[in-house]
Amino acid sequence: DAGITQSPRYKITETGRQVTLMCHQTWSHSYMFWYRQDLGHGLRLIYYSAAADITDKGEVPDGYVVSRSKTENFPLTLESATRSQTSVYFCASRERLAESTDTQYFGPGTRLTVL
Amino acid sequence: GQQLNQSPQSMFIQEGEDVSMNCTSSSIFNTWLWYKQDPGEGPVLLIALYKAGELTSNGRLTAQFGITRKDSFLNISASIPSDVGIYFCARPRGDKIIFGKGTRLHILP
Repeated sequence: DAGITQSPRYKITETGRQVTLMCHQTWSHSYMFWYRQDLGHGLRLIYYSAAADITDKGEVPDGYVVSRSKTENFPLTLESATRSQTSVYFCASRERLAESTDTQYFGPGTRLTVL
Repeated sequence: GQQLNQSPQSMFIQEGEDVSMNCTSSSIFNTWLWYKQDPGEGPVLLIALYKAGELTSNGRLTAQFGITRKDSFLNISASIPSDVGIYFCARPRGDKIIFGKGTRLHILP
């Protein structure tokens, strides 16, 4: 399927477990982003990547790890899940800044519950 | 200075009414973006504004880039049920895009 996809769409896990959320885009966009959305906080940036093998922290990176070995994939790992990481997670992608029209495309989201 | 303040946080309106919401910041920006998030989906770009005073429409939606460059407004005319969702203002910041906390729109039948 063309576009940006996330998997799984729903996940329930337990405190202390490792969880990986997947993100895949078919446009070969240079930039990819991970956000979490919580009531009262809007969208907060966790990590982003400007290209393969280049990642950087966002506003709320603690407790998360990312990697980008291929341009099209940007997995987000919670190394030891905590209840405060219960949230809806959105992946997004965008073209390189010089070619960008500021349009950032979002995936459908992953709803994660940590018990 | 980097925060975007959206108001109101939520709105309950009757179908057919017009809607106004705004976004402010203490910093001057060169670009304002408005996104909409439908229930259960990711946000989608509605309108991008690049010039102070600019007024841009997208169907029943109209957005304006404030003259002071510190605010932006989004208006929806004759609201319909599918307008329900969260509306975010945003602005580019280097490699990233910074989002406001959103205005949640509810439409009463």
